[in-house]
Amino acid sequence: EVQLLQSGAQVKKPGESLKISCQGSGYTFRDYWIGWVRQMPGKGLEWMGILYPGDFDTKYSPSFEGHVTISADRSINTAFLEWSSLKASDSAIYYCVISGWGAYFDYWGQGTLITVSS
Amino acid sequence: EIVLTQSPGTLSLSPGERATLSCRASQRVSDDYVAWYQQKPGQAPRLVMYGASSRAVGIPDRFSGGGSGTDFSLTISGLEPEDFAVYFCQQYGRSPWTFGQGTKVEI
Repeated sequence: EVQLLQSGAQVKKPGESLKISCQGSGYTFRDYWIGWVRQMPGKGLEWMGILYPGDFDTKYSPSFEGHVTISADRSINTAFLEWSSLKASDSAIYYCVISGWGAYFDYWGQGTLITVSS
Repeated sequence: EIVLTQSPGTLSLSPGERATLSCRASQRVSDDYVAWYQQKPGQAPRLVMYGASSRAVGIPDRFSGGGSGTDFSLTISGLEPEDFAVYFCQQYGRSPWTFGQGTKVEI
């Protein structure tokens, strides 16, 4: 059974850094693109970016490029989403997703709630 | 980027009725690369349809998808209680991949 287990909710202050994680199991980690989708409170879905663990090829949405970093550690089947300086507008649920094509999202993690507030 | 507009915003129906959800793209979506997701309150979205008309694993055949070019649809024939949720369309024909704003199917 495919599972994407995300790290827990976080409360941070503006300007702080943060790295959240997503551990995949039940499939061959390096064979599926793994990425992130944002859902702001009560809002729709936004694709942030995606990485292919096989060769670490990474694609970002222009809306998020330069503000977040997506990475992965194949030795622990885990992907990461990182901010160097959070803003209040980063408050949202972040979903980890995997895709066989790198395009539509076959499986979703349970989501990580990030709250950024002074 | 391609903007997806879903209609209606809310669909109020009863179990057993047919639901037809629309997703219109601001530009032609190449190869009909449109997916649909179902999201229930407090849960992550779940893939329902991809390639406009291919059902994802485990999705019952009362769900069907169609359309091409700029107009796509998701039909649920004979709504079951577990089908009441929010549905999002997504295009993956041109990066950045984008989503519609969602249609809520409510009782």
